[in-house]
Amino acid sequence: GDSVTQMEGPVTLSEEAFLTINCTYTATGYPSLFWYVQYPGEGLQLLLKATKADDKGSNKGFEATYRKETTSFHLEKGSVQVSDSAVYFCALSDRDSSYKLIFGSGTRLLVRP
Amino acid sequence: ETGVTQTPRHLVMGMTNKKSLKCEQHLGHNAMYWYKQSAKKPLELMFVYNFKEQTENNSVPSRFSPECPNSSHLFLHLHTLQPEDSALYLCASSQRGLTVHEQYFGPGTRLTVT
Repeated sequence: GDSVTQMEGPVTLSEEAFLTINCTYTATGYPSLFWYVQYPGEGLQLLLKATKADDKGSNKGFEATYRKETTSFHLEKGSVQVSDSAVYFCALSDRDSSYKLIFGSGTRLLVRP
Repeated sequence: ETGVTQTPRHLVMGMTNKKSLKCEQHLGHNAMYWYKQSAKKPLELMFVYNFKEQTENNSVPSRFSPECPNSSHLFLHLHTLQPEDSALYLCASSQRGLTVHEQYFGPGTRLTVT
């Protein structure tokens, strides 16, 4: 079945550092890929998405590129801020999963001033 | 109101109580979901409703009883819960029938069972 694997957290960075959170997936079809973010005490917010190979999703300075050859969708940001501290979830959706969201386990990011 | 709202935001209940969680979506979507998020299992899909019909129940104990009276409202009725049911309960909605099925989440209800 479909699955998503994320790097273990927590990831601790200093402000203005470069961020990469790795995400790889397993799917038999051609999934859509998502990154969600959960700030403390809140629900999940859709951060960005990509629907086909080589698509780049971007939002709020975050980017991720759909790499079919490596089955990856790594999240990057050039300069993190303290306000980016949150838990980040990678997810996929496709016909084989009945279009449900399949989530990774989440990666906690802590940005220090 | 916009997006997905959930009430109450916090709930403390005893094991013999009966309470209900409410979710409302203002996005015109036709599918709604309940998730449980706890420290042990980050995100567990509990129930899925499409056009008010339940299409998925992921082996959820019967002490959780969902209700979807229309495409905009979703309830989770709780009775005789256990302490291990303490968690954040998240509601989400999406538009089925589109190519891309992103879900939109509410802020969650933090449930504590004493």
